[in-house]
Amino acid sequence: AQRVTQPEKLLSVFKGAPVELKCNYSYSGSPELFWYVQYSRQRLQLLLRHISRESIKGFTADLNKGETSFHLKKPFAQEEDSAMYYCALSGSGNTGKLIFGQGTTLQVKP
Amino acid sequence: DVKVTQSSRYLVKRTGEKVFLECVQDMDHENMFWYRQDPGLGLRLIYFSYDVKMKEKGDIPEGYSVSREKKERFSLILESASTNQTSMYLCASRRGRQLSYNEQFFGPGTRLTVL
Repeated sequence: AQRVTQPEKLLSVFKGAPVELKCNYSYSGSPELFWYVQYSRQRLQLLLRHISRESIKGFTADLNKGETSFHLKKPFAQEEDSAMYYCALSGSGNTGKLIFGQGTTLQVKP
Repeated sequence: DVKVTQSSRYLVKRTGEKVFLECVQDMDHENMFWYRQDPGLGLRLIYFSYDVKMKEKGDIPEGYSVSREKKERFSLILESASTNQTSMYLCASRRGRQLSYNEQFFGPGTRLTVL
């Protein structure tokens, strides 16, 4: 079965500390993985996708097929990074369907 | 910029009422989706549509139906609202089916409360 797991419901760090939001997936084919973010009172939006291999707002995520993980990392957290983060997997057959994880709330304290 | 709009930000209905949630996108996207967002459960797909008049069930379609008569509009219908359908409902759209267009664009959400 296709599944995305985000084991942490809440991650609380101090400003300037490194951040790692965990994401593990279960998928039998070649996955396409995404991180979406929802800031307070804003709509859900794409943060980054693995196929682009880019850094957005200082965040990076590397697909590790051996560990079936796609953890989101940032070396120095900022207060404006506080938000809800969702990891998502594109479903089989290129249907465009996304399977989302449960979400992790990142709280960056001053 | 892609704009996805939803007809209401907040909606309060009574058990047994028929409820319509409307979603409109202005970028000529083929694909549209309805999710519900619940704390601790993430986003779960209710229904999606590849194109006009086409629809497919998602992971939790029970108690819901959809309509897509025009490309830009995707409606979610709660045939007989129940309290367990109290949730945040998110609409999304996406261009085509190619991998390179896989980003989904989301609406602001409708918070539905069923009393």
